[in-house]
Amino acid sequence: DIQMTQSPTTLSASVGDRVTITCRASQSVNTWLAWYQQKPGKAPKLLIFKASSLESGVPSRFSGSGFGTEFTLNIASLQPDDFATYYCQQYNSYSWTFGQGTKVEVK
Amino acid sequence: QVQLQESGPGLVKPSETLSLTCSVSGGSIDNYYWIWIRQPPGKGLEWVGHYYNGGTTSYKPSLKSRVSISVDTSKNQISLRLTSVSAADTAMYYCSRDASSRPSTIWGRGIFVTVSS
Repeated sequence: DIQMTQSPTTLSASVGDRVTITCRASQSVNTWLAWYQQKPGKAPKLLIFKASSLESGVPSRFSGSGFGTEFTLNIASLQPDDFATYYCQQYNSYSWTFGQGTKVEVK
Repeated sequence: QVQLQESGPGLVKPSETLSLTCSVSGGSIDNYYWIWIRQPPGKGLEWVGHYYNGGTTSYKPSLKSRVSISVDTSKNQISLRLTSVSAADTAMYYCSRDASSRPSTIWGRGIFVTVSS
């Protein structure tokens, strides 16, 4: 299994803040990395695929970067709708894996 | 517009088999990854496995001996079967589908399954 480690686990932020979440893979996943947003009681929503490609309909304040083992999700200016939990996922190997999640909460 | 709907029993007894179905409407089953993901209460997402066109499957290693995913193209359905369940298998189970390098771009609403006697 490729292990995915996100940091931080919890992030306290205010509307308008720039937010960065990091995801580290235990071995290279090339750019086969996705980011999801999940709100309580809802299915996850794909935000970013192939490390840096923005899913259709996702606001441009979201961006992703990275290659190999180090990836970041950035939210340029946090909006009220962005308070949620974010997950990275690698889909490079035979067995896909998620990070443990990062909860973005109100500061 | 493609829609996914999970169905199955909400309660399964320990040691028995969990069987779920994902019904697909508005699109074909062919040429996609069909993915099952679960989420225990209060915890993170866990990839269970997927089925790809032609019968290729891949499963989470720790579940591999107990899990199987299959497709019924005549019914436009994907099935998940998990044997010998325990309380640790209590979770929300989601069905999802990929599209063009996007691993899970379409999701069902999920179904919560409790394992309890």
